Amino acid sequence: GAVVSQHPSWVICKSGTSVKIECRSLDFQATTMFWYRQFPKQSLMLMATSNEGSKATYEQGVEKDKFLINHASLTLSTLTVTSAHPEDSSFYICSAAGTRNSYEQYFGPGTRLTVT
Amino acid sequence: DAKTTQPPSMDCAEGRAANLPCNHSTISGNEYVYWYRQIHSQGPQYIIHGLKNNETNEMASLIITEDRKSSTLILPHATLRDTAVYYCIVGYSTLTFGKGTMLLVSP
Repeated sequence: GAVVSQHPSWVICKSGTSVKIECRSLDFQATTMFWYRQFPKQSLMLMATSNEGSKATYEQGVEKDKFLINHASLTLSTLTVTSAHPEDSSFYICSAAGTRNSYEQYFGPGTRLTVT
Repeated sequence: DAKTTQPPSMDCAEGRAANLPCNHSTISGNEYVYWYRQIHSQGPQYIIHGLKNNETNEMASLIITEDRKSSTLILPHATLRDTAVYYCIVGYSTLTFGKGTMLLVSP
């Protein structure tokens, strides 16, 4: 159980365009979802926390107008990278915490974004 | 969240127990100890967590010292598929990932 999917698994886009990444909890309801970014050979960095039906809480230094997060249902959260630039190229990973046991976060497989 | 200290890398022979240490001397009373691992280019995988007592599940055992200032993750019979970066994290509902320990399991 506790499966989280992400779509797409990888995407290449041109500079200036926007990209949407979906994160779904497949077999449980996630009241809270998290978005992380990981650059090569570095650790995961938390970007934002979103609770279903509420505005996301962004970590310091993360531009909320650039990284739009929507958590409209208990099984879906989306991250939109607006006006992407090459420096936004990274591995984006979401995680979800279930209602019954919020201490455990279940991670998606990640989305590799390359901006050319 | 409290900070953790882990060795950057460890080696283990296949079939042997892997004992991964973690220091978290500034842990506060309501913070849990979590262990996750990340295989290359994949999302992290939850392993185990604990508050005060030792814990065991199908993947691993977690030993937490009585003063809670350190812990050890034990993989009882390491396999090649256990090669990954292991993260020890202390906190409550949000996770702050450090650099972790790169565990290399060799034949």
